[in-house]
Amino acid sequence: DLQLTQSPSSLSASVGDTVTITCRASQSISSYLNWYQQRPGKAPNPLIYAASNLHSGVPSRFRGSGSGADFTLTISTLQPEDFATYYCQRSDTKSFGQGTRLQIK
Amino acid sequence: EVQLVESGGGLVQPGGSLRLSCGASGFSLSNYWMSWVRQAPGRGLEWVATIKGDGSEKYYVESVKGRCTISRDNAKNSLYLQMNSLRAEDTAVYYCAREFVAAALKNYFDSWGQGTLVTVSS
Repeated sequence: DLQLTQSPSSLSASVGDTVTITCRASQSISSYLNWYQQRPGKAPNPLIYAASNLHSGVPSRFRGSGSGADFTLTISTLQPEDFATYYCQRSDTKSFGQGTRLQIK
Repeated sequence: EVQLVESGGGLVQPGGSLRLSCGASGFSLSNYWMSWVRQAPGRGLEWVATIKGDGSEKYYVESVKGRCTISRDNAKNSLYLQMNSLRAEDTAVYYCAREFVAAALKNYFDSWGQGTLVTVSS
């Protein structure tokens, strides 16, 4: 079983809040973990690669952390454009988590 | 500027075939692993297939093995996905994506096309 489980599946927050999304692997995957953002009707955008590295051009309010089986994506000081769905992905098998929908409260 | 443009989607009957194309510009296609990722309506992302820069290695998700073939023509700056024996569950938006290799096994999809919709229905 090579699953990734994201939690929560959805959450509501306000502009200016800080939120954390968790991604748990069914086994240790070192730092083979990426994060993407997808706005409605659009292609995904890369955010974080290798657990904690920011993709070029991504604002510093996005932070990835973790290793082994537990990973987090933290978004500080939420901006209106951050309300989207977020996916984690294992880079060794390329499988994705089920997604976390971040909605405006 | 890196650009990926998919085409070839449409409505096809169950059991039918379709060939998706992805035109690449703004970078040298031969230097990159490339992949197809799909998203069923209202659902999450699913990796479908990956091909090495020179085409010598190909990988598929279990659900499409034997039915789909990923290929590329670097001289034409193009990536392809041949899909046969299509099923209703193959209905999805199909994205092509470029892989950036940060380190061994630390690839990520750093550029995506806008997607092309495949609908399998009678």
